Amino acid sequence: SQQGEEDPQALSIQEGENATMNCSYKTSINNLQWYRQNSGRGLVHLILIRSNEREKHSGRLRVTLDTSKKSSSLLITASRAADTASYFCATALRGSTLGRLYFGRGTQLTVWP
Amino acid sequence: DAGVIQSPRHEVTEMGQEVTLRCKPISGHNSLFWYRQTMMRGLELLIYFNNNVPIDDSGMPEDRFSAKMPNASFSTLKIQPSEPRDSAVYFCASSPRTGVTDTQYFGPGTRLTVL
Repeated sequence: SQQGEEDPQALSIQEGENATMNCSYKTSINNLQWYRQNSGRGLVHLILIRSNEREKHSGRLRVTLDTSKKSSSLLITASRAADTASYFCATALRGSTLGRLYFGRGTQLTVWP
Repeated sequence: DAGVIQSPRHEVTEMGQEVTLRCKPISGHNSLFWYRQTMMRGLELLIYFNNNVPIDDSGMPEDRFSAKMPNASFSTLKIQPSEPRDSAVYFCASSPRTGVTDTQYFGPGTRLTVL
């Protein structure tokens, strides 16, 4: 399937450390997005990177995209306890005009104070 | 903007009962998605609409599930009859300007428990 696969499934770090999550996918994409889900809440869009972009920043977030390897990474710098959440990558297929996204299973990030 | 609104937030029902979940997308968004999330299966797309028309319902698990979008500001997901394995969190999401950015905006979800 086109579904993205995040790695690792779970990540536990101390406050102040950096957190890196990876996503791999299978077919050509228009863009790749990262979403965050706090416990008991809906998913929230964090950042979008287009297929012709290699790196993007937003605050403490840094996303990279390697289309030759069909992979992306999300880096959260100087993590905080409030960053504890599940993080999902989602891909929009190349040529799709109907807005469907393919979500992975997510990485559960725990940041200890 | 109030964001995507879902109701009810929690629903507890008994097996065999009909369940109706409701969603109001963000005004101006022309795509609407229904997802189901469980620990075992993760986030599953059930069905999605574009301009109120169902585009792909291949994720609907069985004929017991049906979804409608009578107008641009309202959608329902109905389960009849409900079964314990339907217990999950159901999310509605909407998206503007399909084919441009595809960013989805999720509602808070409805936690369904079928006893």
